[in-house]
Amino acid sequence: GAGVSQSPSNKVTEKGKDVELRCDPISGHTALYWYRQSLGQGLEFLIYFQGNSAPDKSGLPSDRFSAERTGGSVSTLTIQRTQQEDSAVYLCASSAGQGNNSPLHFGNGTRLTVT
Amino acid sequence: AQSVTQLDSQVPVFEEAPVELRCNYSSSVSVYLFWYVQYPNQGLQLLLKYLSGSTLVKGINGFEAEFNKSQTSFHLRKPSVHISDTAEYFCAVSEANTGRRALTFGSGTRLQVQP
Repeated sequence: GAGVSQSPSNKVTEKGKDVELRCDPISGHTALYWYRQSLGQGLEFLIYFQGNSAPDKSGLPSDRFSAERTGGSVSTLTIQRTQQEDSAVYLCASSAGQGNNSPLHFGNGTRLTVT
Repeated sequence: AQSVTQLDSQVPVFEEAPVELRCNYSSSVSVYLFWYVQYPNQGLQLLLKYLSGSTLVKGINGFEAEFNKSQTSFHLRKPSVHISDTAEYFCAVSEANTGRRALTFGSGTRLQVQP
């Protein structure tokens, strides 16, 4: 079956512009995560959805970052007034089940470059 | 809060040699442990996980890892590597038996298998 799909795969934007990144999780997966991977860094947690609600937004770095999920499926991560330090690969993952022992299934990411 | 330390950012090794990728973690609660692999231009995929029970866990592609609670380690091993094992490997932990779902990742170890 289809895996986690992210679009676009690459995005170049000018400093100050807003961007939207999309994630289509695996069908039926109730949990959805956004992570950020900067060059030479590990994965930084941003936000977690269970269904359409986000019980953990603790990783969002500033109020310029927001995310939503609709229909228990597609999620959009929005970055307003982008800055150069926002340049990174943004990864989406989904998992089935309610517990912390369910493995994450990752998409290939969106590479964001802010010029 | 948890943290994950991957002591080696890069590990060069010759084909058919054994390899060990080191991972140490810190946590005030019980954890689940994971290793993920990221092949070039691909998303992360689960290699293996430790939830409970036997401390030696086997994963895909001949990899295994051993959970050592006293040393708070979860090192990844393979007795004989192939060129195709060249990839970035990430160790991750999640809190067991709590409501927090986010995985904490290490900064990754790049395994470079040379002929």
